[in-house]
Amino acid sequence: DVVMTQTPVSLSVSLGGQVSISCRSSQSLVHNNGNTYLSWYLQKPGQSPQLLIYKVSNRFSGISDRFSGSGSGTDFTLKISRVEPDDLGVYYCGQGTQYPLTFGSGTKLEIK
Amino acid sequence: EVQLVESGGGLVQPGRSLKLSCAASGFTFSNYYMAWVRQAPKKGLEWVATISTSGSRTYYPDSVKGRFTISRDNAKSSLYLQMNSLKSEDTATYYCARHHSLFDYWGQGVMVTVSS
Repeated sequence: DVVMTQTPVSLSVSLGGQVSISCRSSQSLVHNNGNTYLSWYLQKPGQSPQLLIYKVSNRFSGISDRFSGSGSGTDFTLKISRVEPDDLGVYYCGQGTQYPLTFGSGTKLEIK
Repeated sequence: EVQLVESGGGLVQPGRSLKLSCAASGFTFSNYYMAWVRQAPKKGLEWVATISTSGSRTYYPDSVKGRFTISRDNAKSSLYLQMNSLKSEDTATYYCARHHSLFDYWGQGVMVTVSS
């Protein structure tokens, strides 16, 4: 199984600041078809998860350009710039390259 | 607007069965793979099952394989999860999600508690 390791476990940021979250996979997430199926999700308090980024760097419909994804192979990063109060919650990375599908353990973002 | 609405959760004793349902609307249900993802209390996300568009292919992690069965009724735009031989570790919120190498839309979730 592909193990997804997220760091840090939690972080605190001031409004308007910038943060980065790391996600590393135990195996390459490059699919046989050449795509890399690494996604990022945000679960706001009391809500269902929502998709932010798919295939490493593509923003989902309606997602602010303050969110950006990068990386390749086994090493990926989510950056959030100009942090706003609505950004708080738990961020998860997830891989869709191979079964069983797996998620990172989450990074809790708190606002200072 | 894509909507996914789960139902069927509740309290069930260990070893018993429960069937969850998910009613989909706002998209052509038969064109998409669908999935169930769960989240134990205060824990992270765990993928539970995926079903192909026609229902001919299903996928499960080892933790539920042989106990859970995912199915769908395209005529009713509905997704199901039959859960048998439930264990305490199956206690979680279960989310229905649209799946195509990512989960782009999620339901609000339904709680399943396995306890005597």
